[in-house]
Amino acid sequence: GAGVSQSPSNKVTEKGKDVELRCDPISGHTALYWYRQSLGQGLEFLIYFQGNSAPDKSGLPSDRFSAERTGGSVSTLTIQRTQQEDSAVYLCASSLVSSGSGETQYFGPGTRLLVL
Amino acid sequence: AQSVAQPEDQVNVAEGNPLTVKCTYSVSGNPYLFWYVQYPNRGLQFLLKYITGDNLVKGSYGFEAEFNKSQTSFHLKKPSALVSDSALYFCAVRPGYSSASKIIFGSGTRLSIRP
Repeated sequence: GAGVSQSPSNKVTEKGKDVELRCDPISGHTALYWYRQSLGQGLEFLIYFQGNSAPDKSGLPSDRFSAERTGGSVSTLTIQRTQQEDSAVYLCASSLVSSGSGETQYFGPGTRLLVL
Repeated sequence: AQSVAQPEDQVNVAEGNPLTVKCTYSVSGNPYLFWYVQYPNRGLQFLLKYITGDNLVKGSYGFEAEFNKSQTSFHLKKPSALVSDSALYFCAVRPGYSSASKIIFGSGTRLSIRP
């Protein structure tokens, strides 16, 4: 009965380093989202995976950001050559998409990234 | 293109008074509409959603929201505010016809309830 989990919970890195953030969605959920939230601000959409469809990458802010979802389950968000403006909380959410029932997103606790 | 707007960055209400947090949307076809809440230092939690049926939707913690198709609005309401309701509230929308379309979130409204 586990919810969405994310790791690490906190990550401090130096400018220029690469980081990988992991999301384990709820088992069976077909949709997975990544968002970025700066301190106390709104949600910035990054990328959306839905089943076997091509991911919607329209929110990725630059080519330093990429994400993959292996086997329709676990997802990894990679930020290459991190910069200070990448510092934020990265949130993952999953949902079960089915016709006519809408979808309730379940959010993970987030990964707080600090780039020094 | 679909969009959702929360016109108020902040709403201040005295405890015991009714509260309203506004949300308007633009989407093709019938919308799926959602409210989420984020308490300080905690993750986002689902409050309620409108899919179809009764325009008045009741959710967690005594909140409710009314779907108004003519005004394309989905305002969040509570008859009597509590200090513990102070949090960041997000409205979200997705077209009902397409499971391939992502959910879009509003910019959030910070609700502050004073004792």
